[in-house]
Amino acid sequence: DAGVIQSPRHEVTEMGQEVTLRCKPISGHNSLFWYRQTMMRGLELLIYFNNNVPIDDSGMPEDRFSAKMPNASFSTLKIQPSEPRDSAVYFCASSQGTVPGPQHFGDGTRLSIL
Amino acid sequence: AQTVTQSQPEMSVQEAETVTLSCTYDTSENNYYLFWYKQPPSRQMILVIRQEAYKQQNATENRFSVNFQKAAKSFSLKISDSQLGDTAMYFCAFMKSQNTGNQFYFGTGTSLTVIP
Repeated sequence: DAGVIQSPRHEVTEMGQEVTLRCKPISGHNSLFWYRQTMMRGLELLIYFNNNVPIDDSGMPEDRFSAKMPNASFSTLKIQPSEPRDSAVYFCASSQGTVPGPQHFGDGTRLSIL
Repeated sequence: AQTVTQSQPEMSVQEAETVTLSCTYDTSENNYYLFWYKQPPSRQMILVIRQEAYKQQNATENRFSVNFQKAAKSFSLKISDSQLGDTAMYFCAFMKSQNTGNQFYFGTGTSLTVIP
């Protein structure tokens, strides 16, 4: 079975540029989560969706961050404009929604803003 | 709100020895799930073991086992016969189900180094 697929795996860009991270959850999973991981702050939940609807976006740091889930098989996390402090590893994870079970994580996107 | 506490930021163990990583959590829920994830230097987040709160028997997966103490809200991970490949960050996670989907809460992690 295919796991959670994230792209790109690495992204290096200059500050001020728009960055779009992509995620394909596991088929049949109807909850999707975006996390940010840094040495200083550890693993932070940014936003999660259930049945394509954002349920909790309280972790989104500021208006420069936005996330969408237009359908059950695709989500994006966008940063515009990007800043050096956004440099981190961004993980996408999915789970089966209300059926109890673990989250399954993608391999993450390592984002570097110069 | 649920909180998950991992009080050991770093630990080390000699190869082939046994090590226990601690995790405590705070919740008023009665039905929930607990997980341990491993994050090696490759940065993948790998599910190691899971425990359903309604089960009294401690979960075991090969060399990995848990000591689940529901009343004490404690969920420690024991790694037996430690191997070099066990070197990783380990995260404890709590999950509860609700009608808007499963909610997950992670601890801050324990960095484990296995010494040859």
